Amino acid sequence: LAKTTQPISMDSYEGQEVNITCSHNNIATNDYITWYQQFPSQGPRFIIQGYKTKVTNEVASLFIPADRKSSTLSLPRVSLSDTAVYYCLVGDNPPRGAGNMLTFGGGTRLMVKP
Amino acid sequence: DTAVSQTPKYLVTQMGNDKSIKCEQNLGHDTMYWYKQDSKKFLKIMFSYNNKELIINETVPNRFSPKSPDKAHLNLHINSLELGDSAVYFCASSQVRTNSYEQYFGPGTRLTVT
Repeated sequence: LAKTTQPISMDSYEGQEVNITCSHNNIATNDYITWYQQFPSQGPRFIIQGYKTKVTNEVASLFIPADRKSSTLSLPRVSLSDTAVYYCLVGDNPPRGAGNMLTFGGGTRLMVKP
Repeated sequence: DTAVSQTPKYLVTQMGNDKSIKCEQNLGHDTMYWYKQDSKKFLKIMFSYNNKELIINETVPNRFSPKSPDKAHLNLHINSLELGDSAVYFCASSQVRTNSYEQYFGPGTRLTVT
């Protein structure tokens, strides 16, 4: 599994767009990029995943450059409730018979201030 | 409706005891997992299981064992508890599909060993 590197923490203010970049220099051809969010005292929650270019859903956008050695999670107009830890994961494709054993790194602790 | 539930939410016990944590998912998923999140907040996969295969993370002591009475349940049994077992344990489930890394996590069980 490719190792990922993210900033340990970030601060932002309500209403701003937040971009969290993840480096994964050793990403393999078949690897997908996945982002999870974890609020205090809760389990992680899937946000978005992608393979290349741009993916957007109702929560976030994921930008992946052509070389795929990094990716950026973009959160539009954050609110206080977006304060959480955000994890970038890189995984194999296709999953093995007994599912995907996700490897979480340290994550990025996002603090949204009023 | 709770998708992935765990009981108990808190578990305090003494060294040397044997304890179990229950997990149930009502999503109809075919694969379930156990993760451990230590005091430094690192989240590590312990087991991945479906009716075809059990995959054990090689770092997990054999005092830990998953038991699945049926497709919707994966319980975690821990024998001879040690101080270092204190952590938050998360159960998760997913439907194994090509290109999908979305897992649904339970609320966690905080285990404290004294």
